[in-house]
Amino acid sequence: DAGVIQSPRHEVTEMGQEVTLRCKPISGHDYLFWYRQTMMRGLELLIYFNNNVPIDDSGMPEDRFSAKMPNASFSTLKIQPSEPRDSAVYFCASTQAGHYNEQFFGPGTRLTVL
Amino acid sequence: GENVEQHPSTLSVQEGDSAVIKCTYSDSASNYFPWYKQELGKRPQLIIDIRSNVGEKKDQRIAVTLNKTAKHFSLHITETQPEDSAVYFCAGTGNSGGSNYKLTFGKGTLLTVNP
Repeated sequence: DAGVIQSPRHEVTEMGQEVTLRCKPISGHDYLFWYRQTMMRGLELLIYFNNNVPIDDSGMPEDRFSAKMPNASFSTLKIQPSEPRDSAVYFCASTQAGHYNEQFFGPGTRLTVL
Repeated sequence: GENVEQHPSTLSVQEGDSAVIKCTYSDSASNYFPWYKQELGKRPQLIIDIRSNVGEKKDQRIAVTLNKTAKHFSLHITETQPEDSAVYFCAGTGNSGGSNYKLTFGKGTLLTVNP
């Protein structure tokens, strides 16, 4: 398996623009997670899905952030409008149902909002 | 929710020495504690984990200990090598509401192993 796939790997945009990050989980994994990593706040869970259904979105910073999972092999994280403080590395991770299974992280998307 | 504190934030050791990273957690219902290693510019990867029914677990040069009473757990790396240089994250997952998958990470420890 190719592992978790994320695109784009790097994104540079201007404040106010819409940004869409994409993730393809490992085939057969039924949990998908979106994380944000910054120096100041560390690695934060934004939202996670189980069988394409959002389970916990309490980490989503504000209404400018939204996430969808239309099918088992694709998820998006959208920021509209983007702000400079959204600059971070965004990771997608997936795992298979079971007790305490390892979360496999994608390579991340480095977002820079100017 | 769970709160995980990690110390130290940076750690520098000589090659061959041991390194210890400590974490505390707040949710007494937490029952799973993974450790992730993140090399510069790379993704976090699981290196070892421990469940609350176990006090210690070893895998070659790395080991993790858990003290449920004190609500703290530690990562021990022996005979450190330059390739151990990375950021290490501990995590906990509360067991409230069945959220076994919701990991709360510590802020990370930058380990530098000097040749």
